Amino acid sequence: KAGVTQTPRYLIKTRGQQVTLSCSPISGHRSVSWYQQTPGQGLQFLFEYFSETQRNKGNFPGRFSGRQFSNSRSEMNVSTLELGDSALYLCASSPRLAGGYNEQFFGPGTRLTVL
Amino acid sequence: AQKVTQAQTEISVVEKEDVTLDCVYETRDTTYYLFWYKQPPSGELVFLIRRNSFDEQNEISGRYSWNFQKSTSSFNFTITASQVVDSAVYFCALRETNFGNEKLTFGTGTRLTIIP
Repeated sequence: KAGVTQTPRYLIKTRGQQVTLSCSPISGHRSVSWYQQTPGQGLQFLFEYFSETQRNKGNFPGRFSGRQFSNSRSEMNVSTLELGDSALYLCASSPRLAGGYNEQFFGPGTRLTVL
Repeated sequence: AQKVTQAQTEISVVEKEDVTLDCVYETRDTTYYLFWYKQPPSGELVFLIRRNSFDEQNEISGRYSWNFQKSTSSFNFTITASQVVDSAVYFCALRETNFGNEKLTFGTGTRLTIIP
């Protein structure tokens, strides 16, 4: 079974631009969560999507948004990039089944550098 | 609110020494999960262990062992006879158990360096 894939793996943008990152979950997984990792703030939860709906959201400004498609693939978008958005963005997928524990599996991440 | 504290920012030990990584957590929930992840330089988070709050039994997996103490809200991780391949950043994390909550709260991580 293929793991969680994230594209692109590396990205360089300039301030003010916008960026879209993609995450393809493990086949059969319906939930995708996104995390931002920076040296200063560590690993922080951005949001979670399930059945094409945002189910949970972390404490990030509205410049950070996401969506999920009917095939469970998810994208996150950051508009008007700031230097502080430079980070490793990780996504995790889970089957999100009722009645039991749902293991999350992380992708390799997308490293975004904002110049 | 949930919180995970890893007070040790960086640890360096000589190969073959034992090392313990500390994790202290805060939560108002009576049921929760605790995790340890390893992050090598490649960046991917590698799952090591999950513990349910009802299960305080310590666990050993090869050179790795975990000590979960609810009384002190701690979930410490020990590597015995450390090896250079153990060099990585290690994260402790907490998650509520209510269905639909996939959010993990991470500690700030401990960078472990094993000196050959």
